[in-house]
Amino acid sequence: KAGVTQTPRYLIKTRGQQVTLSCSPISGHRSVSWYQQTPGQGLQFLFEYFSETQRNKGNFPGRFSGRQFSNSRSEMNVSTLELGDSALYLCASSVEGSNTEAFFGQGTRLTVV
Amino acid sequence: DAKTTQPTSMDCAEGRAANLPCNHSTISGNEYVYWYRQIHSQGPQYIIHGLKNNETNEMASLIITEDRKSSTLILPHATLRDTAVYYCIVRSFGSGTYKYIFGTGTRLKVLA
Repeated sequence: KAGVTQTPRYLIKTRGQQVTLSCSPISGHRSVSWYQQTPGQGLQFLFEYFSETQRNKGNFPGRFSGRQFSNSRSEMNVSTLELGDSALYLCASSVEGSNTEAFFGQGTRLTVV
Repeated sequence: DAKTTQPTSMDCAEGRAANLPCNHSTISGNEYVYWYRQIHSQGPQYIIHGLKNNETNEMASLIITEDRKSSTLILPHATLRDTAVYYCIVRSFGSGTYKYIFGTGTRLKVLA
């Protein structure tokens, strides 16, 4: 069974640009959540999608957005990139249910220059 | 804010058991305890989770105190590949939402 796939693995962008990251969940998983990891702030929850609806959102500015498609694949977008957006962006997927776990992808390393 | 407190770092000799403590004194009745580890900026890897009973799988054992205010992750025979940052997380399942609040974790170093 394939794991969570994130593309691209590495990305370099310039300040002011926008970027789209993609996440393909494990087959059958309908919940997809996104996290940002930086040396200073650690792992922080961005948002979670289930059945194409955002179900929860972390404390990030509106420049960070996401969506989920009918096949459960998800994308997140960051507009007007800032140097501080340089981070490892992680996606996790899970099946619905209380006694279940989320599985993480390998992440996309974004560098803003 | 994270609901868990963990030691910043620990060392363990290879082949010995690694016991990683976690304090979650404000845990609610509808919250599970989850453990993940992250090896050198890879994606976090799921290890184990539990509600109130002790749990064991092929990777580790999870011991939760009777009052549920703390837990210990046990790696029975640590190897060099177990060197990683270990995160203890509590997650509410009431709403069904998957939102992990990560703390700073414990950096475990397994020594040869």
